[in-house]
Amino acid sequence: DAGITQSPRHKVTETGTPVTLRCHQTENHRYMYWYRQDPGHGLRLIHYSYGVKDTDKGEVSDGYSVSRSKTEDFLLTLESATSSQTSVYFCAISDSPFGGGNEQFFGPGTRLTVL
Amino acid sequence: AQSVTQLDSHVSVSEGTPVLLRCNYSSSYSPSLFWYVQHPNKGLQLLLKYTSAATLVKGINGFEAEFKKSETSFHLTKPSAHMSDAAEYFCVVSDSGGDDKIIFGKGTRLHILP
Repeated sequence: DAGITQSPRHKVTETGTPVTLRCHQTENHRYMYWYRQDPGHGLRLIHYSYGVKDTDKGEVSDGYSVSRSKTEDFLLTLESATSSQTSVYFCAISDSPFGGGNEQFFGPGTRLTVL
Repeated sequence: AQSVTQLDSHVSVSEGTPVLLRCNYSSSYSPSLFWYVQHPNKGLQLLLKYTSAATLVKGINGFEAEFKKSETSFHLTKPSAHMSDAAEYFCVVSDSGGDDKIIFGKGTRLHILP
């Protein structure tokens, strides 16, 4: 998967607890993205990063925060998990931003269940 | 504003028969279009992409797609389905001149019948 790992791969947590998902890349790509995948919705962008300490919101950012202190790591935090955040989360990377035909490379995903 | 519509949520074909997965898009600028494949419990993998060069794009595993501006379509085809093609397929659009956004279709699950 193009040098992208996600941890944990599976997590079960309880409503109201904070959760942090980690994405780690070895490709030195500038751009990193967090998506969630839900049945019938495809992938929806949560947050993305265009450099160290540079992040922006996607279309479903409420209830999520991100941080990027190093090129290789992009963290997604659910500040207080809710059942509606039960989903599969994918990290992606690219060496250029969204437009202009630039491919994104995807990690293997993290399956999160909030009880 | 961009949008993408995958016209079928499920498609079933017999092994050895042609595959057609349909995708229509809307874009205010010159779009880039992609097809990604996702096998069960895996991440997404790029099949092919269109970026304003040749309108007929060939991808991996025998897939190809044709960009038709007049029809705003980017349908994915394969002449002969194989059991290993069973997966979910996503059509994706991004704009090269507008907001830097990327929009995923809701996916088409392809079933291959023996």
